[in-house]
Amino acid sequence: KQEVTQIPAALSVPEGENLVLNCSFTDSAIYNLQWFRQDPGKGLTSLLLIQSSQREQTSGRLNASLDKSSGRSTLYIAASQPGDSATYLCAVFSGGYQKVTFGTGTKLQVIP
Amino acid sequence: KAGVTQTPRYLIKTRGQQVTLSCSPISGHRSVSWYQQTPGQGLQFLFEYFSETQRNKGNFPGRFSGRQFSNSRSEMNVSTLELGDSALYLCASSFGTSGRPQEETQYFGPGTRLLVL
Repeated sequence: KQEVTQIPAALSVPEGENLVLNCSFTDSAIYNLQWFRQDPGKGLTSLLLIQSSQREQTSGRLNASLDKSSGRSTLYIAASQPGDSATYLCAVFSGGYQKVTFGTGTKLQVIP
Repeated sequence: KAGVTQTPRYLIKTRGQQVTLSCSPISGHRSVSWYQQTPGQGLQFLFEYFSETQRNKGNFPGRFSGRQFSNSRSEMNVSTLELGDSALYLCASSFGTSGRPQEETQYFGPGTRLLVL
């Protein structure tokens, strides 16, 4: 059974800092990994999708890496802004029936 | 381009009742997936529909069912509601035509928050 862990559970940083969020998974036989952000009371916004054959993806100030062999992905946020405050979730797609497992999330607060 | 819409946004029901939630995908998307989010269990996959057929299913009891219409809109039904069904129910859509929807970006709706009393 795939298990996805995100560390830390919560993070508070001053505006302008670069930061890294971590996602670990137990079964390396994945199809892809996706990072989302969730604002309070709202749905999910897809940030980056990394296919199993890729090592990283970039979008603006965001960079996500994937290391299947070690079962890890990181989301790097450069020059953080207060608008980045949200909960960040990683989702791992694996299994023969396209099952998806979400991590528990990292709640990020960027302080002005 | 309109995003994924879900109705209703909030719902209060009592134990034993049933409920139907609706999801309209982004125009052109044919795959609709449903998820349940609770503080204790996090986000869990319920099922996925493509071309009016359930293509994938998570580990939920038979009280949870769904369907998809020819216009790709989807409904999810929960019968005999239990207190533990209180959650945020999210749906997501994607093109789904690759045969591997997990390789496509999924766009999520705002969710329906269900409270069971």
